Amino acid sequence: QKEVEQDPGPLSVPEGAIVSLNCTYSNSAFQYFMWYRQYSRKGPELLMYTYSSGNKEDGRFTAQVDKSSKYISLFIRDSQPSDSATYLCARGSGNTGKLIFGQGTTLQVKP
Amino acid sequence: DTAVSQTPKYLVTQMGNDKSIKCEQNLGHDTMYWYKQDSKKFLKIMFSYNNKELIINETVPNRFSPKSPDKAHLNLHINSLELGDSAVYFCASSPVLAGGPYEQYFGPGTRLTVT
Repeated sequence: QKEVEQDPGPLSVPEGAIVSLNCTYSNSAFQYFMWYRQYSRKGPELLMYTYSSGNKEDGRFTAQVDKSSKYISLFIRDSQPSDSATYLCARGSGNTGKLIFGQGTTLQVKP
Repeated sequence: DTAVSQTPKYLVTQMGNDKSIKCEQNLGHDTMYWYKQDSKKFLKIMFSYNNKELIINETVPNRFSPKSPDKAHLNLHINSLELGDSAVYFCASSPVLAGGPYEQYFGPGTRLTVT
């Protein structure tokens, strides 16, 4: 079992929809989670991060961690065609800076 | 100005050859990384260096050898290339090694194809 698992999709939604992207993790020895966005043929870039529990909101994006079920989510409100990308979740540990990534979910937002 | 740059962007080579990928960051960061992304977009860490010192060395064949001449540069040399080495290789850097969720800034990637 991979330490961080994501449904690779693809996920296709109409413009304006609320998108829910999810990851599960197996190892509780973590400190924080990160969401990276990767456009086609580009390097990943950080969207947002959260610590081991709770929610964090940034504009149209909300990251949520459910420690009891080992579930992390990214919600995108009012999705736009420019949100079309692959979204990678990662769990990190503060000791080495090592990030363990999920496989990524490919999202397409149709105009 | 490009924050993290990699050369070359594309690399097509034959099995058995030796090749190198270069990475440079102009962000003044202490820590640099090499990642491999396979055809299914799975991104996996290979190595990390902090101030020229090797910190993370994942289970990577010893045909892969990283070298950090200074903290702004991290190169990756691959000997005896195999078909399974075909992937996109990303370099990344972060301000410090540990202590919190510091952003890792990724380069544009080097797409390696082994034929």
